[in-house]
Amino acid sequence: GAGVSQSPSNKVTEKGKDVELRCDPISGHTALYWYRQSLGQGLEFLIYFQGNSAPDKSGLPSDRFSAERTGGSVSTLTIQRTQQEDSAVYLCASSPRITGELFFGEGSRLTVL
Amino acid sequence: AQRVTQPEKLLSVFKGAPVELKCNYSYSGSPELFWYVQYSRQRLQLLLRHISRESIKGFTADLNKGETSFHLKKPFAQEEDSAMYYCALSGGGNNRLAFGKGNQVVVIP
Repeated sequence: GAGVSQSPSNKVTEKGKDVELRCDPISGHTALYWYRQSLGQGLEFLIYFQGNSAPDKSGLPSDRFSAERTGGSVSTLTIQRTQQEDSAVYLCASSPRITGELFFGEGSRLTVL
Repeated sequence: AQRVTQPEKLLSVFKGAPVELKCNYSYSGSPELFWYVQYSRQRLQLLLRHISRESIKGFTADLNKGETSFHLKKPFAQEEDSAMYYCALSGGGNNRLAFGKGNQVVVIP
């Protein structure tokens, strides 16, 4: 189907390496969100895009985290100099409008050794 | 600031028994409340939203502004209801959807 697609589905990396996580939203969805899902922590908001701009970056946990969105479509979340506490499932979601209904991808599981 | 609290992490119920998942929120404006569900090996998906005032898969939730609550209820649990449930809040023009920490529901046959 034409759901939200994320890659890679699994990523194992060494502490200190950089990683890039990709999200392909549903075609036509203008809003795109990144969340982090950790055991016992629920869903932690990271960043939100409306079109290509990010009105709310307040959830990014440190300056090692950055995200961009191009062409109002694909988004990339980059984590530099990964740390073990970055290990989590990173979820992307898109939305057609400001409705609060988000359509989620299957997530990218990041493990930092 | 928006905050959502789900007090119980794990809830085990027998098939056919009622289930209630508690959700309390903190928000100064007029909120929109949602319940999302994640079944095993599936992606997170919307279960219901308060403005729809509908029952989905036998679940209902009523927004109580006085108690700032949006508890999820089902009178008779089924095995297929075993899943992770998240309460979420969206506040007005702020498009951020804030989630609680989730409730793991296990329905015992």
